[in-house]
This record gives sequence, C-alpha cells and structure tokens, in this order.
Amino acid sequence: GESVGLHLPTLSVQEGDNSIINCAYSNSASDYFIWYKQESGKGPQFIIDIRSNMDKRQGQRVTVLLNKTVKHLSLQIAATQPGDSAVYFCAERRGSSNTGKLIFGQGTTLQVKP
Amino acid sequence: EADIYQTPRYLVIGTGKKITLECSQTMGHDKMYWYQQDPGMELHLIHYSYGVNSTEKGDLSSESTVSRIRTEHFPLTLESARPSHTSQYLCASSKGLGQYFGPGTRLLVL
Repeated sequence: GESVGLHLPTLSVQEGDNSIINCAYSNSASDYFIWYKQESGKGPQFIIDIRSNMDKRQGQRVTVLLNKTVKHLSLQIAATQPGDSAVYFCAERRGSSNTGKLIFGQGTTLQVKP
Repeated sequence: EADIYQTPRYLVIGTGKKITLECSQTMGHDKMYWYQQDPGMELHLIHYSYGVNSTEKGDLSSESTVSRIRTEHFPLTLESARPSHTSQYLCASSKGLGQYFGPGTRLLVL
C-alpha cells in the first residue's frame, strides 16, 4: 500500500554542520505534513509542519521544504548539535479528512559526531 | 511541552494477564489516538477517537480495545496479553492538525 518513506535509515553528521533529512510520499492528495523528533525512550516531539499550499517554512534552526511536483519533503537542521541526535519521522495527512489521522514514515536516525 | 500523560511507563507481565494502559490529556483535545511502535520503526495507528463515546479501529489490526468515556481519558485494554503484544504503545491527542504525543508505555509480555 501507499506509505510515507524516508530515503536513508541513518544519517551521520559532524557537530556544527547542516543536516538534511529527506522524505518521499506517494499520495498527491496529502495536504499537510509534519516532522517529529523522537529521542530514545520518549514519545515523538513536534518540530515543524507545513501545509501543501506552501513550499517552505522556517522555524528556529529548522526549515522544511515541500516539493509537490516530485512528492518530496525535507527537513534541514542548521548547525547540528549533539542534542539533535534522535530519530526523525515525517508524517502526512491524506486529503481533507477531519479525523486528524496521520501516516508516518519509517524514520531516519540522526547521529551527531562531536 | 504537551500535557499528555501515560502510565505505566514500563510494564512486564505474564502471558494471559489483562492489562490497561492509561492515557490522559489536560488540553481539552477532542481527538485522541493510540499507536504501536516497535523499536526504531514507524508508528502504526491502532485506535482513534473523535470525542466522547466515539472510537474507531486504526490502520493496524490490534487485539486491544479502547474506551472514551471522558474527554481527557483514553485507556487501552488487552484482555489477554501475549508475547506478540510486546511493543511500545504511544498515545496522542489533537485539536487541529498536529498531534501531541505522550511518553509511551513499553510493554514486555513474557
């Protein structure tokens, strides 16, 4: 079936470098996307979201880019810090459902090397 | 940080026991969700609720059941735990688009 997926299971970066985590989705009807960060032993934590009528949104040290043409979503983390080490999930909401149901991707583990 | 709580955080139990995982939120959110997650893997929706007295099964088949008698409370019950139920169970709530997660319950069934 359709799913939200991430390109790489693990990403290793040097502290201070920028990180880019990618996500591909398959349903063109998806209208809302979220990035979550999950640290070991904790529940997912909301990072940033974007609606399908936007192609870029910025937060504090994070930027989400949405390319609807190729159904691609990315999370950019500037000046990556050791505290950014975690598993990152993208999630999509499909269509105009008001149930709030999200479909989650498989997750990318970000390892930050000191 | 979202005000959503789960208890217990960790549970080790024998096969055949009945268990209830608790989830409470103090944000007044109408929608609540239960996900199952194996270590490092994606989240799978097993139950959700639009509001009081409303519950639906999620995308992943589960032998668990849920109830929603109060807005703030969404417990999940396993009538007879089995080793295949070993996993992490995450509760979430939402009012609009985004979902806020609790810390999860790690369940180990021996």
